[in-house]
Amino acid sequence: QLQLQESGPGLVKPSGTLSLTCTVSGGSVNTYNWSWIRQSPGKGLEWIGYIFYTGSTNHNPSLNSRVTISVDTSKNQLSLTLNSVTTADTAVYYCASLGGLWQLPDIWGQGTIVIVS
Amino acid sequence: EIMMTQSPVTLSVSPGERATLSCRASQSVSSDLAWFQQKPGQAPRLLIYGASTRATAIPARFSGSGSGTEFTLTISSLQSEDFAVYYCQQYNNWPRTFGHGTKVEIK
Repeated sequence: QLQLQESGPGLVKPSGTLSLTCTVSGGSVNTYNWSWIRQSPGKGLEWIGYIFYTGSTNHNPSLNSRVTISVDTSKNQLSLTLNSVTTADTAVYYCASLGGLWQLPDIWGQGTIVIVS
Repeated sequence: EIMMTQSPVTLSVSPGERATLSCRASQSVSSDLAWFQQKPGQAPRLLIYGASTRATAIPARFSGSGSGTEFTLTISSLQSEDFAVYYCQQYNNWPRTFGHGTKVEIK
């Protein structure tokens, strides 16, 4: 059974860089497609981006290319980097595997809260 | 970006009663519509995709309908574990977008 666990600094200063990892167990990171989704009181649930096992990535245009999503097969981890953060980036960040024909988030991590202050 | 609007914001229902939740898209998303359930302190869980297909292990009391811009999630007989927030999400266009949710609470 695939299990995901997000981790990273809970507090980031404005204009700094948010870096999160998602540790995958029960499966190999390079055989699945992955997503990052965040949730804030103001904006609700928001797709950040995704990465396919082929290496293809895409991110939400609203994030103005501040986003980098990658995988580290040696550590079996997924990573998210978000540059130039502001208080609007304060949220709970989730990683999720994408499943089925339509690549929907079907297995989620528990989420990690990041506060920009 | 496609805007998803859910109504009502809060729905008060007694256990055993039927709950009907609505979701409207700002433009047609065909049947590329999913529903998620989220309980406090937990990640969302996929319930429905393709507007009407239940995900793995989702009970039959959950059903979805609609296409184009108007969608409905129906819970036929609410159980205690169904009191939660429900979100619709379109996956017809990128970026995929969620509605702001309907909270189903105990009446």
